[in-house]
Amino acid sequence: GAVVSQHPSRVICKSGTSVKIECRSLDFQATTMFWYRQFPKQSLMLMATSNEGSKATYEQGVEKDKFLINHASLTLSTLTVTSAHPEDSSFYICSARLTSGGRGEQFFGPGTRLTVL
Amino acid sequence: DAKTTQPNSMESNEEEPVHLPCNHSTISGTDYIHWYRQLPSQGPEYVIHGLTSNVNNRMASLAIAEDRKSSTLILHRATLRDAAVYYCILAYTGTASKLTFGTGTRLQVTL
Repeated sequence: GAVVSQHPSRVICKSGTSVKIECRSLDFQATTMFWYRQFPKQSLMLMATSNEGSKATYEQGVEKDKFLINHASLTLSTLTVTSAHPEDSSFYICSARLTSGGRGEQFFGPGTRLTVL
Repeated sequence: DAKTTQPNSMESNEEEPVHLPCNHSTISGTDYIHWYRQLPSQGPEYVIHGLTSNVNNRMASLAIAEDRKSSTLILHRATLRDAAVYYCILAYTGTASKLTFGTGTRLQVTL
């Protein structure tokens, strides 16, 4: 199956700093990528839909100025958590769909665990 | 978005078949039934999806009720590696289609 990678796998940062998370589709092109957040013992919550070459679409309640998304190529989307605070500590997961073909499924990355001190 | 209802948890013995139910009484005609699973500390993994007919793949089978208001994911022989949270999700299969995750069913597999 198609492979999605994320970097870094885990990051610890101080409150007030910004953290960038990369999501790459390794062996396929993805016009659309998705960013999710998952708090402990909870389900995944969709944060935004990332579209190559255009602005991301954010879900209700997600601050677009705090969670900056850039999808500059068909294989890379980045999520930047700006001025991170302890309440932003979470498991961030991206996913991607094939631009063409496939069965319509989403391929998920392994996740990035963010801890803000 | 049409919602799904799943039991919070289920248990199975290894090597036994497992039937994971999902109710989706408000499903629309364009909704596909998707199943994903998430192992601990990992991203979700696609399992199977279908529209009306039952589906089989190397991982599982999907049995869809005739009225499409419920479905069952069938793992034919559970192994310890199948212990995960299983999510039943309704979505169409367009490129930009979003997946809305519910609480899923936590499957425990014991020896």
